Amino acid sequence: DTEVTQTPKHLVMGMTNKKSLKCEQHMGHRAMYWYKQKAKKPPELMFVYSYEKLSINESVPSRFSPECPNSSLLNLHLHALQPEDSALYLCASSQGIRDRFRSYEQYFGPGTRLTVT
Amino acid sequence: AQRVTQPEKLLSVFKGAPVELKCNYSYSGSPELFWYVQYSRQRLQLLLRHISRESIKGFTADLNKGETSFHLKKPFAQEEDSAMYYCALRKGAQKLVFGQGTRLTINP
Repeated sequence: DTEVTQTPKHLVMGMTNKKSLKCEQHMGHRAMYWYKQKAKKPPELMFVYSYEKLSINESVPSRFSPECPNSSLLNLHLHALQPEDSALYLCASSQGIRDRFRSYEQYFGPGTRLTVT
Repeated sequence: AQRVTQPEKLLSVFKGAPVELKCNYSYSGSPELFWYVQYSRQRLQLLLRHISRESIKGFTADLNKGETSFHLKKPFAQEEDSAMYYCALRKGAQKLVFGQGTRLTINP
C-alpha cells in the first residue's frame, strides 16, 4: 500500500458538534502532518508528528486536537468549530524528517472537505 | 522571513509552446526547494526537488541563489500539463512553506 488515505471524504458539522478526521498510511513512514487548505489558497501546516510525538503545533486553536495513536494512524479531533474553519484538510506522511543526510518526500492524502454550518 | 512568491496566479500557453512558471524565495539559510503539482481531482504530489536535479515529465527547475529563484520550465507544453503548481520551501527539518500557486492551462 503506497497511499495516504483519509476518511471521510466530506464532512458537514454544526458548531456544537464533535467529529474526527482520520488519516492512515501503511508505508512505514514515521512522520505525519496535518495541513489546512482554504479555497484557492496553498496548504498551511497545522501539526507535525514525528515518531508518534507531536513536534510542531503551528499555533492552531485548541478546538483542533491532533492524536497519533500509532505510527500508521493520525486523527484530528474537532470540537466547537467556526464557519471559517471550513476548508480542505490534508494529511501527509514522510519516511522521516529532514536530517543532515537525507530529505524525505511528503506524500499527501486526498483530503477531507469540511463544512462547518 | 522565509517566503515563497509565485507572481502568476494564472498562466495559459498553447500546446507545444515553452512553459515557465516563476518562483522566487526568501530564506536566510541554505534553501531546499520543491515543485508540487495538483492535477484536477487528484491529490497533491511532488513533481521535483532541487537537490535531485532531475527532469520529471519533461519539467526542470534550477535553483538560482543569486536571483533567489527556482523557476519551473518545460520546452514543449502538453495538454496533460494543465494543473495547479505550487512552489515550496522547506523551513527547518519538518515544515513546508508553499507559494500561492499558479494555475497552468494548456490550450490545444
